[in-house]
Amino acid sequence: AQSVTQLGSHVSVSEGALVLLRCNYSSSVPPYLFWYVQYPNQGLQLLLKYTSAATLVKGINGFEAEFKKSETSFHLTKPSAHMSDAAEYFCAVSEGVTGGGNKLTFGTGTQLKVEL
Amino acid sequence: SAVISQKPSRDICQRGTSLTIQCQVDSQVTMMFWYRQQPGQSLTLIATANQGSEATYESGFVIDKFPISRPNLTFSTLTVSNMSPEDSSIYLCSVAGGPGNTGELFFGEGSRLTVL
Repeated sequence: AQSVTQLGSHVSVSEGALVLLRCNYSSSVPPYLFWYVQYPNQGLQLLLKYTSAATLVKGINGFEAEFKKSETSFHLTKPSAHMSDAAEYFCAVSEGVTGGGNKLTFGTGTQLKVEL
Repeated sequence: SAVISQKPSRDICQRGTSLTIQCQVDSQVTMMFWYRQQPGQSLTLIATANQGSEATYESGFVIDKFPISRPNLTFSTLTVSNMSPEDSSIYLCSVAGGPGNTGELFFGEGSRLTVL
């Protein structure tokens, strides 16, 4: 069975500061990992994905994440926060296209607040 | 990425009634997924819907409560039956990527249901 743990349900940063959102996963097979963002009253938008290629993955809006197998982690970072980054962020894991047929398991989410 | 439209975007319903949510995709897809996001919580997979076969439900979800139709490769419906306040949630339709599918899901804007 696969699972995701997101440490910190709420994270607050100052505008221009580093954003670090933590995600640890559990999977019985090499995982596919994803970060999604949800703005208020909207659906989920894919930020980035890891699918067994490069371990450092770059996504949209300046976000990136690094897959660390030894730590079973896939933390999301952005060097400089912007007010528009305020949203809820979800980490998700799957067993890949053939394994789980795109069946994603989501973490509980981290609400990012950006302050002036 | 696919464009996914859901109707209704939001509704307020009375206890004991049923509501059908429609999901339309702008391209043909094999698998469609229905998720529930309860207030302040993460996403939980309700069922996977393949065209021409019965939907596959996750543990804790049953067909009598959440009947699903999948009449063709671009459309699906989810009915929330005999609603109670505990069914107040966002219901999200999602699809896998097309050719070159690398495991991610694309989501509609969601249908926000409030049950009184």
